[in-house]
Amino acid sequence: QVQLQQSGPGLVKPSQTLSLTCAISGDSVSDNSGAWNWIRQSPSRGLEWLGRTYYRSKWSYDYAVSVKSRISINPDTSKNQFSLQLNSVTPEDTAVYYCAGGRAAAGFVHWGPGTLVTVSS
Amino acid sequence: QSALTQPPSVSGSPGQSVTISCTGTSSDVGSYNRVSWYQQPPGTAPKLMIYEVNNRPSGVPDRFSASKSGNTASLTISGLQAEDEADYYCSSFTTSSTWVFGGGTKLTVL
Repeated sequence: QVQLQQSGPGLVKPSQTLSLTCAISGDSVSDNSGAWNWIRQSPSRGLEWLGRTYYRSKWSYDYAVSVKSRISINPDTSKNQFSLQLNSVTPEDTAVYYCAGGRAAAGFVHWGPGTLVTVSS
Repeated sequence: QSALTQPPSVSGSPGQSVTISCTGTSSDVGSYNRVSWYQQPPGTAPKLMIYEVNNRPSGVPDRFSASKSGNTASLTISGLQAEDEADYYCSSFTTSSTWVFGGGTKLTVL
């Protein structure tokens, strides 16, 4: 049974960096058919895919155009987890952030519980 | 990448069938069979209900079915039950190697 466990602060100041981690159990971040994603949800934006990382002989990354200049998703094979960093946040980045992943072609098979991140001073 | 278009709400009585549409473009829904559907009751994370257009993960009732024609995908729920009341979202892979979601549809079981 695959489980995703999220960790990270729920409050970030404007202009600072939002950092979250997603620990995977029951699957591997390095699985050759998998992909590991970050998704956020807010009343104004609905569900918004932010980006993903996946391993196919080498690590690859895809990011949404809306955040491409500010986002980084990184795998950590030693801890079987992956992380999200979103720089220069504004109140518009306030949302529930989810990690999700599994077999890449299937979309988002497994989901973390979500982390409400509020951007406020 | 613009969001996929879903109706804001649908409703049906117990036992009836409802269909939720998801309209995209030739750059997403029309290009790949990587269309998936998610169920989200209030206050919970989304749950995968359909993947690759019309495949159900283990444990999803066969009352849930889906299809795709051109740039439009559809989710049908037959034999509606009270427990089906939730928000439903479609998602598609795109030619830019990104994923896009629909705006969501609120299903009310009358």
